[in-house]
Amino acid sequence: AQKITQTQPGMFVQEKEAVTLDCTYDTSDPSYGLFWYKQPSSGEMIFLIYQGSYDQQNATEGRYSLNFQKARKSANLVISASQLGDSAMYFCAMREDQGGSEKLVFGKGTKLTVNP
Amino acid sequence: EAQVTQNPRYLITVTGKKLTVTCSQNMNHEYMSWYRQDPGLGLRQIYYSMNVEVTDKGDVPEGYKVSRKEKRNFPLILESPSPNQTSLYFCASSLTGGGYSPLHFGNGTRLTVT
Repeated sequence: AQKITQTQPGMFVQEKEAVTLDCTYDTSDPSYGLFWYKQPSSGEMIFLIYQGSYDQQNATEGRYSLNFQKARKSANLVISASQLGDSAMYFCAMREDQGGSEKLVFGKGTKLTVNP
Repeated sequence: EAQVTQNPRYLITVTGKKLTVTCSQNMNHEYMSWYRQDPGLGLRQIYYSMNVEVTDKGDVPEGYKVSRKEKRNFPLILESPSPNQTSLYFCASSLTGGGYSPLHFGNGTRLTVT
């Protein structure tokens, strides 16, 4: 079974509007971290935001916020006031404490296009 | 500036010619790792290192070698590259290996093996 599922291959949003990118995860480890990364067309992988499994409050980082629903095992990324520069691939990822290699497991990504 | 630095950014080589992709971080991170990214397959871990002189295989280690002689450096070595190693490679580091530690990535190396 996939550990990270991103069901939206592509999303479109108008400039200045908010957009939610979906992510669900699967783990039996009580201690884990959830991460979102942005990959623009230039290829680099940019860390955006992080949520720990024991964090009581949803993470926020500037225009990015993470809608964490632990019981549903979802960690959706919300981008407010979209900008043209937000057009990119977005990856949800999870890191478990008991994973062995402590590796980051990625979803397949969502391609976000911001229209002017 | 805190960063992970990979070199080169682009590399074109021929089958069988040994190459090294360098990776260095200036954040005193214990954990370092290499990933490759391929269309349709996503990002897959090649090797990782929990600390100096400690390395272990990830999901796709065949055809690669690594070493961690110093905390800041974690080079990726392809002893005899083949065309199926054409890919986008990322080095990444984190403070520790735990689930609460974000991985910070280098800018990537686009490798083409002909």
